[in-house]
Amino acid sequence: QKEVEQNSGPLSVPEGAIASLNCTYSDRGSQSFFWYRQYSGKSPELIMFIYSNGDKEDGRFTAQLNKASQYVSLLIRDSQPSDSATYLCAVNERGGGNKLTFGTGTQLKVEL
Amino acid sequence: GAVVSQHPSRVICKSGTSVKIECRSLDFQATTMFWYRQFPKQSLMLMATSNEGSKATYEQGVEKDKFLINHASLTLSTLTVTSAHPEDSSFYICSARQGNNEKLFFGSGTQLSVL
Repeated sequence: QKEVEQNSGPLSVPEGAIASLNCTYSDRGSQSFFWYRQYSGKSPELIMFIYSNGDKEDGRFTAQLNKASQYVSLLIRDSQPSDSATYLCAVNERGGGNKLTFGTGTQLKVEL
Repeated sequence: GAVVSQHPSRVICKSGTSVKIECRSLDFQATTMFWYRQFPKQSLMLMATSNEGSKATYEQGVEKDKFLINHASLTLSTLTVTSAHPEDSSFYICSARQGNNEKLFFGSGTQLSVL
């Protein structure tokens, strides 16, 4: 069974610090990786996506992918209280017809 | 980004009634839409994949006769929870794919509470 694993947290970081969120996946053939942010009671919002090994930066967000280690992470620089949410890692299965498998999410708390 | 509208946002109903949830792609045509269910503090679980003009593909363990999906047009998919029971209470979320883009755009979700 294909799995996407995340530490549920909560991960607490002070305002202005770097938050590091991690995700591992079991299907070595996975090709596309997504990070979604979900506020309580709301639906997920796409933050980042990455297809190739290495880093991808977008504003304060950096996604990192290491396919050999089956590991994808999300870094949030200069964390703000508004970044407090649950971050869901999602993986697109190889040949899965664009079905995403979601991790359980990591709750991030940015403290003043 | 693409906009996906989902209605209603919240439903409270009696046990045994049916509830219909609508999912619309507002500014693009969605050949494929996905329906997810999310219980509190759990991740999104894919229920079914809805393809325009054809029958939905249900994930293992999801009853197709209980969760009726209709994707009659390129911009509208509906999920009907038939004969709802309290254990069906959950957050239901639809998502749509824009063309061949792998990114999914989510509706705002529907919180269903069955009394």
